[in-house]
Amino acid sequence: NAGVTQTPKFQVLKTGQSMTLQCAQDMNHEYMSWYRQDPGMGLRLIHYSVGAGITDQGEVPNGYNVSRSTTEDFPLRLLSAAPSQTSVYFCATWSKTGNEQFFGPGTRLTVL
Amino acid sequence: GIQVEQSPPDLILQEGANSTLRCNFSDSVNNLQWFHQNPWGQLINLFYIPSGTKQNGRLSATTVATERYSLLYISSSQTTDSGVYFCAVGGDMRFGAGTRLTVKP
Repeated sequence: NAGVTQTPKFQVLKTGQSMTLQCAQDMNHEYMSWYRQDPGMGLRLIHYSVGAGITDQGEVPNGYNVSRSTTEDFPLRLLSAAPSQTSVYFCATWSKTGNEQFFGPGTRLTVL
Repeated sequence: GIQVEQSPPDLILQEGANSTLRCNFSDSVNNLQWFHQNPWGQLINLFYIPSGTKQNGRLSATTVATERYSLLYISSSQTTDSGVYFCAVGGDMRFGAGTRLTVKP
């Protein structure tokens, strides 16, 4: 039982490159979300999903796309990376009956 | 959106001391959670507490929803309690800036 996994752990991109951050869970949770954490700040919600095929925007969605084709996976796509997207990205899951959120270990992204 | 303020921003304690962390929020909420981020960056859920009081070992939390604040109590602190404590509120999980706790041996 791995819980919530994220890959890669670290990534360096050049401005304008695209990439996908992966998030997978084996907890059978309905809800999944992506956050970014900038230095000295709390987390900010980027996108979330309440089930396969359903996604919605959070507080800071610009520059990011998501899709949810299965319960287990919730990838985050950066279409054209910008230095302002340098951050640590966390994926989280929770059950619609449980409320408690479980976080992955994070991906540290640097955009040059 | 909801504004979330945490205090104090930094707290340094000797091992064994007690502490109280506060989270104020600007609007009514039906979701409030406390998290601990350890020095390696891992986030752990401590409490889901939109109202009332809960206890888990040396940690307890109280939320007074009508007055829009929540308190996290840490008793007999240990060095492993060090890290950043966040509260997050609302359906879209607005996070405060956190309280950085350092427990010295």
